[in-house]
Amino acid sequence: RKEVEQDPGPFNVPEGATVAFNCTYSNSASQSFFWYRQDCRKEPKLLMSVYSSGNEDGRFTAQLNRASQYISLLIRDSKLSDSATYLCVVNVRPGNTPLVFGKGTRLSVIA
Amino acid sequence: DAEITQSPRHKITETGRQVTLACHQTWNHNNMFWYRQDLGHGLRLIHYSYGVQDTNKGEVSDGYSVSRSNTEDLPLTLESAASSQTSVYFCASREAPTDTQYFGPGTRLTVL
Repeated sequence: RKEVEQDPGPFNVPEGATVAFNCTYSNSASQSFFWYRQDCRKEPKLLMSVYSSGNEDGRFTAQLNRASQYISLLIRDSKLSDSATYLCVVNVRPGNTPLVFGKGTRLSVIA
Repeated sequence: DAEITQSPRHKITETGRQVTLACHQTWNHNNMFWYRQDLGHGLRLIHYSYGVQDTNKGEVSDGYSVSRSNTEDLPLTLESAASSQTSVYFCASREAPTDTQYFGPGTRLTVL
């Protein structure tokens, strides 16, 4: 089983749609969870951290399900500018160890 | 504002040449990382460092080396560039204790 796994997509959705991405991780002891956004040919940028109780930032909602070992990202009212690749990132091996990046889920929002 | 920079942003070199990519951060983060990104592979970890004089190999370290003589810089050296090392290279530093990682803008390297 891969340490961090995401559906590669692409997800093609119309403007205004709600879209959800899931990501599974292999180690139940994993501690830190993030969603990053990467635009074409640019560096990944932090979108949001994922907290145990779930958290929201505007149109974006992140949730953590420790029992099933997955995190999710929900985007409401999609905008054209949301088109990007979304990377799931997990500190799979607790402590000061490299973060593990998923390969990303590509989202295209269509007018 | 604190930041992380990479230079050069674009580099074309020939097979067999030694190449050094620079990475500089002003956050005073101890943890720094080098990745390469190719189509279909996502980000792959090359080398990383947890502090001055500390270096560690990542999953694709063959043909690369790093050195950490101060907190701010982690240069990546390709000892003898190969065409297979044509890629986009990202440097990153990580904040403790949040684990939040920040990336530089990337270096696009072409080996002919």
